[in-house]
Amino acid sequence: EAGVAQSPRYKIIEKRQSVAFWCNPISGHATLYWYQQILGQGPKLLIQFQNNGVVDDSQLPKDRFSAERLKGVDSTLKIQPAKLEDSAVYLCASSFSTSGGEETQYFGPGTRLLVL
Amino acid sequence: GQQLNQSPQSMFIQEGEDVSMNCTSSSIFNTWLWYKQDPGEGPVLLIALYKAGELTSNGRLTAQFGITRKDSFLNISASIPSDVGIYFCAGTPGTDKLIFGTGTRLQVFP
Repeated sequence: EAGVAQSPRYKIIEKRQSVAFWCNPISGHATLYWYQQILGQGPKLLIQFQNNGVVDDSQLPKDRFSAERLKGVDSTLKIQPAKLEDSAVYLCASSFSTSGGEETQYFGPGTRLLVL
Repeated sequence: GQQLNQSPQSMFIQEGEDVSMNCTSSSIFNTWLWYKQDPGEGPVLLIALYKAGELTSNGRLTAQFGITRKDSFLNISASIPSDVGIYFCAGTPGTDKLIFGTGTRLQVFP
């Protein structure tokens, strides 16, 4: 079974530029998550989708971050414009359903973003 | 917001030694999970705990869900070089949201 795919793996941009990350979850997984992991910290949830609807985006900085999952499969996360403090690893995860911690979340390898 | 305090922050041990790390919360959690993250990879689930007092093993790993529902520990017995990585506790505090700890960085020397 293929895992969660993410691209690109690395991205370096200058502040105020825009950037987009792509995630392809495990086939059949209804729930998709985007996490931000700052160096030295644990992942922090940014947004959770169930199919193509948003379940939780309370920690997404909506003035600059946006995410979509139009067809309920792939998802993109965009930052526009980027700030220095956005430098982090952006992890995508998916799970079969949305039973929270009782449903195993499978993580992708992440996209490492460096904002200069 | 809710936080999970994980300790120790880092550990340097010799191959063959046992390891213990723990995680505490100021509030009750309904599930406790332990993940391992290798460099350049996403976290991988090691053990999941769903009931207070539950003790679960996965090979050389053993984890327990504290009776108070505010803590959990992970033990690794007879450590080997491939145990190197960052170990994260995580839990759900009654919502679907997964809260992660700050991580314990484990280094194993031959």
